[in-house]
Amino acid sequence: AQSVSQHNHHVILSEAASLELGCNYSYGGTVNLFWYVQYPGQHLQLLLKYFSGDPLVKGIKGFEAEFIKSKFSFNLRKPSVQWSDTAEYFCAVNALPGGTYKYIFGTGTRLKVLA
Amino acid sequence: DSGVTQTPKHLITATGQRVTLRCSPRSGDLSVYWYQQSLDQGLQFLIQYYNGEERAKGNILERFSAQQFPDLHSELNLSSLELGDSALYFCASSSTGTGSEAFFGQGTRLTVV
Repeated sequence: AQSVSQHNHHVILSEAASLELGCNYSYGGTVNLFWYVQYPGQHLQLLLKYFSGDPLVKGIKGFEAEFIKSKFSFNLRKPSVQWSDTAEYFCAVNALPGGTYKYIFGTGTRLKVLA
Repeated sequence: DSGVTQTPKHLITATGQRVTLRCSPRSGDLSVYWYQQSLDQGLQFLIQYYNGEERAKGNILERFSAQQFPDLHSELNLSSLELGDSALYFCASSSTGTGSEAFFGQGTRLTVV
């Protein structure tokens, strides 16, 4: 079955530290890839997405992600985090198993940034 | 504001009861997704509808059902509620069912006591 793995469940960083959150998926066909962020008490919001083309995609708030097809990975990065980046981050894959698109989310990574 | 509206925001009910959660998608979006978010299981895909028809099914219990109406709003019905059904239920919508990004509502927090 298709799945998405986020390796870090909890991450604590100091402000200005660099961030990398891992995401791997298991599906051999065409995929669309997303990172969503959920700030405390809020709904999920799209950070960035990859459909095709340049595997390095840039999103909002200084986030970027790199799609590495050979590794089935789509890691999220930010060079310098801020206290306001404290949130939960979800990687998601939208794939076409059996002819029907559906979104599969990872379990999420809770990021806490210390001021 | 994502444009996806969910009601109610909070719901407290007793075990064994039945509740209905409502979702209005963004204007023009044909696809609606339901998710359950709990602390121990993360974000679980329940079901997807596209233009009134069921498109995909995830980890949805038999006690749960959903439908999408001709005006494209959707309802998620949860019956014979158990304590373990307490969770945040999110609805999301997208313009098509074929890979476009999903926009999420604020969620309905269900507490079963």
